Amino acid sequence: RKEVEQDPGPFNVPEGATVAFNCTYSNSASQSFFWYRQDCRKEPKLLMSVYSSGNEDGRFTAQLNRASQYISLLIRDSKLSDSATYLCVVNTPNDYKLSFGAGTTVTVRA
Amino acid sequence: EPEVTQTPSHQVTQMGQEVILRCVPISNHLYFYWYRQILGQKVEFLVSFYNNEISEKSEIFDDQFSVERPDGSNFTLKIRSTKLEDSAMYFCASPPDRLPDGYTFGSGTRLTVV
Repeated sequence: RKEVEQDPGPFNVPEGATVAFNCTYSNSASQSFFWYRQDCRKEPKLLMSVYSSGNEDGRFTAQLNRASQYISLLIRDSKLSDSATYLCVVNTPNDYKLSFGAGTTVTVRA
Repeated sequence: EPEVTQTPSHQVTQMGQEVILRCVPISNHLYFYWYRQILGQKVEFLVSFYNNEISEKSEIFDDQFSVERPDGSNFTLKIRSTKLEDSAMYFCASPPDRLPDGYTFGSGTRLTVV
């Protein structure tokens, strides 16, 4: 089983739509969870950390379900600038090493 | 916002040649990481470096790879004899002061082996 698995998409949505996608992780002892955004041939950039109670940052909402070992990201009122690949990233217990999912591609069309 | 700086941004090299990729992490950070991303694939861990020593390395990080800290602020990733399959984006990363803050990645070096 892969350490981090994501729905690859692509999700092709119109501006203003809501899009949501999930990620699952295999190590139940994982401690920290992140969503990163990556544009083509660029570095990953932190979108938001995911807290166990769920958290929101503007149009972005992240949820964590430790029992089922999945993380979700929801984007409301999609903008053209939200078009990117979203990476689910999990911290390996006992060190700072990160495990990445393969990414979910989102394309927002006018 | 603190930055992680990588040079060069793009390097083209012939198979079998040595390449050195450079990174200046966020200052005063003792931990430091190299990751790799082959085009179209996920980001993969290569090696972590703590206090001037390798603390962990992946299966990818074989004898062709080495990492050094030649001076107080710079880190290098050296590939001794490049192969075609080494073509990838190489990112260095500094960890956060607090884990929930997330890591900061450099802008990457795109290595093309021909």
